[in-house]
Amino acid sequence: DSGVTQTPKHLITATGQRVTLRCSPRSGDLSVYWYQQSLDQGLQFLIQYYNGEERAKGNILERFSAQQFPDLHSELNLSSLELGDSALYFCASSIGGGVTYEQYFGPGTRLTVT
Amino acid sequence: QQQVKQSPQSLIVQKGGISIINCAYENTAFDYFPWYQQFPGKGPALLIAIRPDVSEKKEGRFTISFNKSAKQFSLHIMDSQPGDSATFFCAAKHGGSRLTFGEGTQLTVNP
Repeated sequence: DSGVTQTPKHLITATGQRVTLRCSPRSGDLSVYWYQQSLDQGLQFLIQYYNGEERAKGNILERFSAQQFPDLHSELNLSSLELGDSALYFCASSIGGGVTYEQYFGPGTRLTVT
Repeated sequence: QQQVKQSPQSLIVQKGGISIINCAYENTAFDYFPWYQQFPGKGPALLIAIRPDVSEKKEGRFTISFNKSAKQFSLHIMDSQPGDSATFFCAAKHGGSRLTFGEGTQLTVNP
């Protein structure tokens, strides 16, 4: 158990809908990362927050947004969902935002868009 | 643009054998190279990591070999066990600390 929690574990929704994925980092970790894992794209970095502020952006669609709250939990919002958004979404956390800080991954949320 | 290439895509070894997974990177700014193991239905778990100022790092049965000039690194699993069967990912990061992952290797260790 990495200490990173994600809810919900599974999510099934229809095209055009909006969903929110939640992540609680390990105790003491200030940085949160979101990754998407799909069969065709592999594991892709989406976005990073550090102590409430956006630190880095990757291949995140404009339909997706995220935020980190004062208690350091984070939410990933996915809107106008398309079939291709079906994937595993992982949250990871680390103590800081630097190069050598290890990232610990949560169990993921499996999103299915029908 | 895929910046970390991983091979093989799948690997089958016998119990007690050596598993070798290779990765190559393009971006010379990368300066931290972790390996993750992922079991079905679970998130990636950090296995071992190396920085480019060393050529080898060993932790138990797992060894990373790093060749900075060739921009390649590899994971060796000694005495492979059926419980090692999982998908392994190499990764790299720099500066902004996002991880760039390889495509993954599905390892099967037969008893």
